[in-house]
Amino acid sequence: GAGVSQSPSNKVTEKGKDVELRCDPISGHTALYWYRQSLGQGLEFLIYFQGNSAPDKSGLPSDRFSAERTGGSVSTLTIQRTQQEDSAVYLCASSLSRTDTQYFGPGTRLTVL
Amino acid sequence: AQSVAQPEDQVNVAEGNPLTVKCTYSVSGNPYLFWYVQYPNRGLQFLLKYITGDNLVKGSYGFEAEFNKSQTSFHLKKPSALVSDSALYFCAVRVLGRDDKIIFGKGTRLHILP
Repeated sequence: GAGVSQSPSNKVTEKGKDVELRCDPISGHTALYWYRQSLGQGLEFLIYFQGNSAPDKSGLPSDRFSAERTGGSVSTLTIQRTQQEDSAVYLCASSLSRTDTQYFGPGTRLTVL
Repeated sequence: AQSVAQPEDQVNVAEGNPLTVKCTYSVSGNPYLFWYVQYPNRGLQFLLKYITGDNLVKGSYGFEAEFNKSQTSFHLKKPSALVSDSALYFCAVRVLGRDDKIIFGKGTRLHILP
């Protein structure tokens, strides 16, 4: 596709359930990022993938959060045993390289009841 | 520590007036600087960037930003604000280290008053 896509656009889940969020980056982009944004606030960096290198997981808030990127393309962010404080918009971005312009997807709005 | 700061949480400007959204940075080496905009219920959109060259960078939607090395600033500007410019604006900067990466400011909410 022409841009970064994310699915689902909205996800409502119950506390304690696991969720998976998907990101399809722009074709050819080697760098992929996940961010969290709460209530229209700033961006919280979660995790970063660059090519085949080990991901930078320094932003993951707890071990309930994990992400993988298969084949250097699609990425999945998994949140296990969701908590109400996990409610936020999860944004994915991709770029040609780690310091190039990032292009963002529309985000997934996660609501944990 | 390398960082980027947006000192104003919110900026209010009357329609038709010039607007400025402030950004300052602290990085090692030559900075790469970016501005993004987020409209309600949308992802972030790239506006403009400074890598090298002319200190005045022109971007999308009539926005421009001026790189000022002595003041370590990269303020976003527009000569005449539109109501449709109301959005959340993020400044970002490349930071150098073992792993180069881009960090974002906390964002400034711009309200254009009709």
